[in-house]
Amino acid sequence: GESVGLHLPTLSVQEGDNSIINCAYSNSASDYFIWYKQESGKGPQFIIDIRSNMDKRQGQRVTVLLNKTVKHLSLQIAATQPGDSAVYFCAETRPMTTDSWGKLQFGAGTQVVVTP
Amino acid sequence: SQTIHQWPATLVQPVGSPLSLECTVEGTSNPNLYWYRQAAGRGLQLLFYSVGIGQISSEVPQNLSASRPQDRQFILSSKKLLLSDSGFYLCAWSVFGIVRQYFGPGTRLTVT
Repeated sequence: GESVGLHLPTLSVQEGDNSIINCAYSNSASDYFIWYKQESGKGPQFIIDIRSNMDKRQGQRVTVLLNKTVKHLSLQIAATQPGDSAVYFCAETRPMTTDSWGKLQFGAGTQVVVTP
Repeated sequence: SQTIHQWPATLVQPVGSPLSLECTVEGTSNPNLYWYRQAAGRGLQLLFYSVGIGQISSEVPQNLSASRPQDRQFILSSKKLLLSDSGFYLCAWSVFGIVRQYFGPGTRLTVT
């Protein structure tokens, strides 16, 4: 079936390096994508989103890249800090219809571990 | 600004006991509201969503139910808990018609 998934379950990054977290999606009709950060014992926190009419969007220290040709989404974190240690989820949704009201489909998550 | 609250933060309940988890949102009107469950080390599973008072849609048939007695209040309930109901329960809200969701702090439920 259609799904959103992550390539790497765990990513170990040295403090100060850049992190790249990848996500694949299978439905070419997906038109909106979100990245969330979840620290241990807390609820997911919105990081950044992107629509399918864009291929790049930047925030503070984060960049999301969307490659619709290969149905691939990535989150880049610049100068990774210890506070970036968390699980990162990508989520996608399809255009709102009577069957798809904007429901988010979440991937399994990638654990990012920042080492000193 | 908008805030979302969940309580209790943690809960330990015996099998067969009832459950009531509460979620409230402040600073917005007519939000979409959602209940998710997250098993340890896993992704988020949507349980229920609501687009208005008294309007509840269930995503997964199970031992749980949801209610929305007020515009910004969302309640997750069970009459008899099962061991498999253990998990991290998350409430989320979104602006009506907008996809982006914002999550609460969650409730850790352990059924013993």
